[in-house]
Amino acid sequence: ILNVEQSPQSLHVQEGDSTNFTCSFPSSNFYALHWYRWETAKSPEALFVMTLNGDEKKKGRISATLNTKEGYSYLYIKGSQPEDSATYLCALGGYSGYALNFGKGTSLLVTP
Amino acid sequence: NAGVTQTPKFRVLKTGQSMTLLCAQDMNHEYMYWYRQDPGMGLRLIHYSVGEGTTAKGEVPDGYNVSRLKKQNFLLGLESAAPSQTSVYFCASSSRQGASFEQYFGPGTRLTVT
Repeated sequence: ILNVEQSPQSLHVQEGDSTNFTCSFPSSNFYALHWYRWETAKSPEALFVMTLNGDEKKKGRISATLNTKEGYSYLYIKGSQPEDSATYLCALGGYSGYALNFGKGTSLLVTP
Repeated sequence: NAGVTQTPKFRVLKTGQSMTLLCAQDMNHEYMYWYRQDPGMGLRLIHYSVGEGTTAKGEVPDGYNVSRLKKQNFLLGLESAAPSQTSVYFCASSSRQGASFEQYFGPGTRLTVT
């Protein structure tokens, strides 16, 4: 099992604030790190998949970085909007069926 | 395309009853997965399949069986339901194409065992 820790557990920011979350892992023995966005009453949707140390991905106001040597990934949201409110999940993909080990998530609430 | 669908959406069982959850995907994905989601625990892998006719155990397989007789379907069975199996169950699928293995999730099945 690939242990995945996410922090903080929850976050409450004002509209327009920029914010970031951390995903940390003790081992680099995985093929990819995934970030998912999970809105209430919906199913998780993939944001990014990163495989190489130093990978950076961006989608609109959201970006992510991966540092496999030091065992962390950051997810950044620039200028948070209320529609960004969701739980953000980090997951490591192992080599057995490429199944994912998920962290417990960071719950983000953005208020106007 | 419907993507990943799950049947049923909700179910209440009594302890000892059995049931099967159906997951179907229309994306021709090779890999399929069953997860359960419990408060404070995150998503945990129950079983997975890397192709038609193959299945493997995940992190929390006890009390569950699975079958993948057709590429598009992945069934999760509870032979004798227990209250500890009260959870929300998510099915997911992914493709080896493109090497990203991004997973696509179904809408979930909320199961309560009394």
